[in-house]
Amino acid sequence: EDQVTQSPEALRLQEGESSSLNCSYTVSGLRGLFWYRQDPGKGPEFLFTLYSAGEEKEKERLKATLTKKESFLHITAPKPEDSATYLCAVRGPLPRASGGYQKVTFGTGTKLQVIP
Amino acid sequence: NAGVTQTPKFQVLKTGQSMTLQCAQDMNHNSMYWYRQDPGMGLRLIYYSASEGTTDKGEVPNGYNVSRLNKREFSLRLESAAPSQTSVYFCASSRTSGSEAFFGQGTRLTVV
Repeated sequence: EDQVTQSPEALRLQEGESSSLNCSYTVSGLRGLFWYRQDPGKGPEFLFTLYSAGEEKEKERLKATLTKKESFLHITAPKPEDSATYLCAVRGPLPRASGGYQKVTFGTGTKLQVIP
Repeated sequence: NAGVTQTPKFQVLKTGQSMTLQCAQDMNHNSMYWYRQDPGMGLRLIYYSASEGTTDKGEVPNGYNVSRLNKREFSLRLESAAPSQTSVYFCASSRTSGSEAFFGQGTRLTVV
């Protein structure tokens, strides 16, 4: 069974204090790892997709990296507006039947708070 | 630039009542999904529609039904609401099955 574990559950940073969020996964045949941002009372917002070990993607103060067992979301010099819950999800192998569902498993998220 | 729109935003039901959650996307996506989000459990898939004309069960389908009305619209129905269905419900869509998803704003449902 596919599993996604995110740590820490919550993280409190001072503005400008860089840190990393972790996403560990077990999946048979990874076909993509997603990062989402979720603000309170809103739906998740897509950030990145990573496909293979060694891949990196960046957006403003965020950089996502991928290894064979985990992904990191690095936050450089965070600002209060980066406060949110960050979700990780993994996509499993292609379905056997054409048109079937390619399963996506979500982690429970890391709640980030950046203090001014 | 609406993206995924779901209604209502909030709903309170009594046990045994029924209701339908509506969802529409304007991105011409093929796949649509209904998730529920509960504290400490992450997003769990209720039903999905990989393409227009098809629907299938996800991880937690009991007590729910869905209709893919056309390519844009995907509704979720609770026939007889139970307190265990108190949750936040999200509709999402993606270009293809399992690709990056775009979510609606959510429906906060309370069953008393």
